[in-house]
Amino acid sequence: EAGVVQSPRYKIIEKKQPVAFWCNPISGHNTLYWYRQNLGQGPELLIRYENEEAVDDSQLPKDRFSAERLKGVDSTLKIQPAELGDSAVYLCASSSPRVYEQYFGPGTRLTVT
Amino acid sequence: GDSVTQMEGPVTLSEEAFLTINCTYTATGYPSLFWYVQYPGEGLQLLLKATKADDKGSNKGFEATYRKETTSFHLEKGSVQVSDSAVYFCALRRRDDKIIFGKGTRLHILP
Repeated sequence: EAGVVQSPRYKIIEKKQPVAFWCNPISGHNTLYWYRQNLGQGPELLIRYENEEAVDDSQLPKDRFSAERLKGVDSTLKIQPAELGDSAVYLCASSSPRVYEQYFGPGTRLTVT
Repeated sequence: GDSVTQMEGPVTLSEEAFLTINCTYTATGYPSLFWYVQYPGEGLQLLLKATKADDKGSNKGFEATYRKETTSFHLEKGSVQVSDSAVYFCALRRRDDKIIFGKGTRLHILP
């Protein structure tokens, strides 16, 4: 079984530029999560999807962050414009109601200069 | 609010030493508790879990017991290996399915 796929693995951009991250969850997993992990910290939830619906986006900075999961499968997280403080690892995870465990992808390490 | 506190690292041990990484939590109700491990360059992997008081989770020689009276979920292993070097995260899952992670503890095992 393929795991959660994320791309790119690394991204370096200048501040004020836009950036997008892509995630493909494990087949059959209807719940998808985006987390941000700052250096030396644990992951913090940004947004959670149940199929196409964002059921918890309370921690997503909506002035510059957006996310979509149009067909209830893969998802894109976008930042526009990026700020220096956005440098972090962005993790995607997925789960299914039967298993309930969250499976994490390898993450995208973003560096904003 | 709900939170997880774990011992700060890095923790450095020699191979075959006994490992303990302390974790305590604050939560309303009775959350499920987890230990995740993150190897270099990889995503988080679930190491073990416990869903109710006095449950013991175990995997790959690691163990942790859900202690409601002390709100703790300490991770232990009797004999560590170099391959156990990683960052370990203690976490709780609330009733609304949200997972709260600790800050992580980096473990270095010397050969």
